[in-house]
Amino acid sequence: KAGVTQTPRYLIKTRGQQVTLSCSPISGHRSVSWYQQTPGQGLQFLFEYFSETQRNKGNFPGRFSGRQFSNSRSEMNVSTLELGDSALYLCASSTEGLTEAFFGQGTRLTVV
Amino acid sequence: GIQVEQSPPDLILQEGANSTLRCNFSDSVNNLQWFHQNPWGQLINLFYIPSGTKQNGRLSATTVATERYSLLYISSSQTTDSGVYFCACGVTSGSRLTFGEGTQLTVNP
Repeated sequence: KAGVTQTPRYLIKTRGQQVTLSCSPISGHRSVSWYQQTPGQGLQFLFEYFSETQRNKGNFPGRFSGRQFSNSRSEMNVSTLELGDSALYLCASSTEGLTEAFFGQGTRLTVV
Repeated sequence: GIQVEQSPPDLILQEGANSTLRCNFSDSVNNLQWFHQNPWGQLINLFYIPSGTKQNGRLSATTVATERYSLLYISSSQTTDSGVYFCACGVTSGSRLTFGEGTQLTVNP
């Protein structure tokens, strides 16, 4: 069974640009969550999607958005990039509710 | 929201030593997981353990939900055990996890 796949693995963007990250969950998993990891703030929850609906949202500005498709694949978008958005973005998938979450390899975003 | 605290923040061991990592949480949880973050950033699942005790090779974990803590035991440590260990907890419906700050483990040969 394939694991959680995130693309791209690495990304360099310029301030003010926007970026889209992709996450394909484990087959059969309908919940996809996104997390941001930075040295200063640690691992922080961004949002969770289940059956194409955002079910939970963390404390991030509106520049961070996401969506989920009917095949459970998810994308997150960050608009008007700031230097502080440089981070490792991790995606997790799970079956439903409070079950074990499995993480992808992450997308390392650098904003210059 | 729930607070998750891990201790110690840093731990340096000689190969072959045993260690105990602790995770305290501030509220009742329905989900608790331990992860090892590899050098490339991926979180590797170690245990899904909202309560009880589990063992997997040299690793074992215990969660005492009524006292709001979990312990991760590493026995006969190896250099490949080095890295950051995270505890993460979930309390609400949905899959939102709150992570601790992690324990940076270094195992020297």
